[in-house]
Amino acid sequence: EPEVTQTPSHQVTQMGQEVILRCVPISNHLYFYWYRQILGQKVEFLVSFYNNEISEKSEIFDDQFSVERPDGSNFTLKIRSTKLEDSAMYFCASSELRGEDGYTFGSGTRLTVV
Amino acid sequence: KNEVEQSPQNLTAQEGEFITINCSYSVGISALHWLQQHPGGGIVSLFMLSSGKKKHGRLIATINIQEKHSSLHITASHPRDSAVYICAVIQGAQKLVFGQGTRLTINP
Repeated sequence: EPEVTQTPSHQVTQMGQEVILRCVPISNHLYFYWYRQILGQKVEFLVSFYNNEISEKSEIFDDQFSVERPDGSNFTLKIRSTKLEDSAMYFCASSELRGEDGYTFGSGTRLTVV
Repeated sequence: KNEVEQSPQNLTAQEGEFITINCSYSVGISALHWLQQHPGGGIVSLFMLSSGKKKHGRLIATINIQEKHSSLHITASHPRDSAVYICAVIQGAQKLVFGQGTRLTINP
């Protein structure tokens, strides 16, 4: 069964450093998403991406965040200058249609900012 | 107020019991997902519903659009069903808005 692949599974970084979280969505999917889950809290939407541009973003997704699809297969989330409160599990997801069918999540990247 | 509310927040039952988890939402949606999250953190989509009822094995999901309510049922529950079950609604074009999850523990 096709899957969404995320790397790394766990990343520890120092406050103020830049991090890039990587995702390989399912190949025939057209919509890509990043979500995050702070420990003990619910999952929150960050951003959706379609046709090589951001289609929607949340208030969390400020200027410190950016997304990119650099080569037609990878989908990355960059945090420019990490803060302690960025520590969370980050999930990538992709879907074939407009979020209704075949919504598949990656296994997540646990980001720890120290 | 949360846009998506689940009840109960925690549920412990004995193996074999019939389980019901409820989800109410306060916003207009195009569809609703039931998701499963295991202790390792990974999220798996169980169902996507826009109307009526769906069944997959021992899992049944229903939705009432007029009442803005959905339920997830598990028949003949088993310890391997222990996980966090999450209701998430599709708002606007694409994004999912998540409930806080229901932690289910099935004891042997």
